[in-house]
Amino acid sequence: AQSVSQHNHHVILSEAASLELGCNYSYGGTVNLFWYVQYPGQHLQLLLKYFSGDPLVKGIKGFEAEFIKSKFSFNLRKPSVQWSDTAEYFCAVSRRTGNQFYFGTGTSLTVIP
Amino acid sequence: GAGVSQSPSNKVTEKGKDVELRCDPISGHTALYWYRQSLGQGLEFLIYFQGNSAPDKSGLPSDRFSAERTGGSVSTLTIQRTQQEDSAVYLCASSSGLAGVTDTQYFGPGTRLTVL
Repeated sequence: AQSVSQHNHHVILSEAASLELGCNYSYGGTVNLFWYVQYPGQHLQLLLKYFSGDPLVKGIKGFEAEFIKSKFSFNLRKPSVQWSDTAEYFCAVSRRTGNQFYFGTGTSLTVIP
Repeated sequence: GAGVSQSPSNKVTEKGKDVELRCDPISGHTALYWYRQSLGQGLEFLIYFQGNSAPDKSGLPSDRFSAERTGGSVSTLTIQRTQQEDSAVYLCASSSGLAGVTDTQYFGPGTRLTVL
């Protein structure tokens, strides 16, 4: 079945450590890619998105993600995490045709001060 | 400005009862989505409204689920004859509708539905 996979379910890091969260999708054709974040007690909000152009996308709060078409991946990175990055992170894919967005199961990140 | 709001925030109901969940999108947003998030699962697309176009209902899991959007603004998701497997957080999101599937979605806080 077609899907969006986030292989890391729970990640625990110390402050200043580097972060990489994996996201792989299995949809063919042209896709749009998103990372959403949900901080404790807050709504889901957009971190960054890619739909064309430079495959390295920069988002808010120092996050970036790289689209590697050959690997069907859109991994999220941050060179140095902060305690305030503790949150749930969701990767999402939409296709150029249709209206649906497909979300991964999320990765819970805990940053220890 | 005001974001997406949903009500109620929590709903506990008995199996077999009907429930209605409400979503108020951001003013001026023409696109509206409903999602379901079950425990340990990602967000599951349910239905999409765009302006006055016919909704995309392809994600509704059964005919017990229906949704409407009145006047292009407020939307109501109705679940008839609720079952325990309907227990989940129901999220609503809206977007400007200008850029289709590249639009940023703005999410509401969700309604946590518990079916006893």
